[in-house]
Amino acid sequence: NAGVTQTPKFQVLKTGQSMTLQCAQDMNHEYMSWYRQDPGMGLRLIHYSVGAGITDQGEVPNGYNVSRSTTEDFPLRLLSAAPSQTSVYFCASSRSGLQPQHFGDGTRLSIL
Amino acid sequence: EDQVTQSPEALRLQEGESSSLNCSYTVSGLRGLFWYRQDPGKGPEFLFTLYSAGEEKEKERLKATLTKKESFLHITAPKPEDSATYLCAVQAGETSGSRLTFGEGTQLTVNP
Repeated sequence: NAGVTQTPKFQVLKTGQSMTLQCAQDMNHEYMSWYRQDPGMGLRLIHYSVGAGITDQGEVPNGYNVSRSTTEDFPLRLLSAAPSQTSVYFCASSRSGLQPQHFGDGTRLSIL
Repeated sequence: EDQVTQSPEALRLQEGESSSLNCSYTVSGLRGLFWYRQDPGKGPEFLFTLYSAGEEKEKERLKATLTKKESFLHITAPKPEDSATYLCAVQAGETSGSRLTFGEGTQLTVNP
């Protein structure tokens, strides 16, 4: 089925480790974004991309890197994991504009 | 700073008992207001976009309305499968590349 695919679904890291959260979409959407969802807070934008080769920072970018080498893929890298990055991470895409049309099912990340 | 407040935080209804969820917002230059549904362990699912005061959108038992200060999601004769968390988000600014601000959501439970 067409949509946004995120891997892994669950991950436990130790403080200081690095990892990459994968996101892929097969709808040829130009806009892709990464959000984190924490209890008691709304979804917050981490980074976004308006097309291959173009990325920009969102509301909470510190500690994360992104790149967009193809239209389909938009990985999120944690450089040196910290307990404050324990969260559920969602990748989203849209045909036009930053308002998400399709979300992946999330990656649940715990940093010990 | 853009703000979005959803109320109530949680709502329990009996099957068939109609009610409304509220999303109040403070933004400078509303571009669009969005409603999403989120099931446990899943990513949000897009429901509606509203662009101007007075606009209404309907989908099955759901109807979304918009005023200059708030939006309502009316649920008519709900069924247990309508149980989910409903998220509201606003987009302000002049372009479709403007960021969204999400509310914390209303957790709806519909008992049979």
